[in-house]
Amino acid sequence: AQSVTQLGSHVSVSEGALVLLRCNYSSSVPPYLFWYVQYPNQGLQLLLKYTTGATLVKGINGFEAEFKKSETSFHLTKPSAHMSDAAEYFCAVSVPGSARQLTFGSGTQLTVLP
Amino acid sequence: EPEVTQTPSHQVTQMGQEVILRCVPISNHLYFYWYRQILGQKVEFLVSFYNNEISEKSEIFDDQFSVERPDGSNFTLKIRSTKLEDSAMYFCASSVVTGGRNTIYFGEGSWLTVV
Repeated sequence: AQSVTQLGSHVSVSEGALVLLRCNYSSSVPPYLFWYVQYPNQGLQLLLKYTTGATLVKGINGFEAEFKKSETSFHLTKPSAHMSDAAEYFCAVSVPGSARQLTFGSGTQLTVLP
Repeated sequence: EPEVTQTPSHQVTQMGQEVILRCVPISNHLYFYWYRQILGQKVEFLVSFYNNEISEKSEIFDDQFSVERPDGSNFTLKIRSTKLEDSAMYFCASSVVTGGRNTIYFGEGSWLTVV
């Protein structure tokens, strides 16, 4: 079975600073990996995904993530934080063939300080 | 951009009552899902549905829960005899596989409060 670990349930950065949200996964087969964002009182919005091919994937709102198989990681980064980035971020893994369901990490709450 | 839509956005129900949460998946999608998120906890998979039948379900999805696609457009989650611990945000999602790749799109959620 697959699993996801997000290190740090809360991350605070200053506006304009680098955002780094950590995600490590466990899977017995090559996984698909996703980052979702949840703004207060809203649903889950897909930020970006990795399935196959290029290991550095770019998403919406200037976010990107790099799949590192050797480290079983899929960390989310953004060079310069904006106040509007404050939200909860979820890393998720899907194993091809497993009825295509997602397993989520516990989430990281990002706070952006002025 | 196509969206998954859910109704109601918020429902309060008494313990023991039945609740039906409704979802309209994206029109060309073939896979449908329900997830839930108890306040302060991670998003948990409940069930996936394909070709008019359940394809996978988690241990959370017991006999209290059922899903149905009654009319080709709606996808419903029924919770019989609700319990206090069923209070959560319930997310519907749908997906379609293109080029061997599957991306799941979520609705805004239905917040269920059991009192």
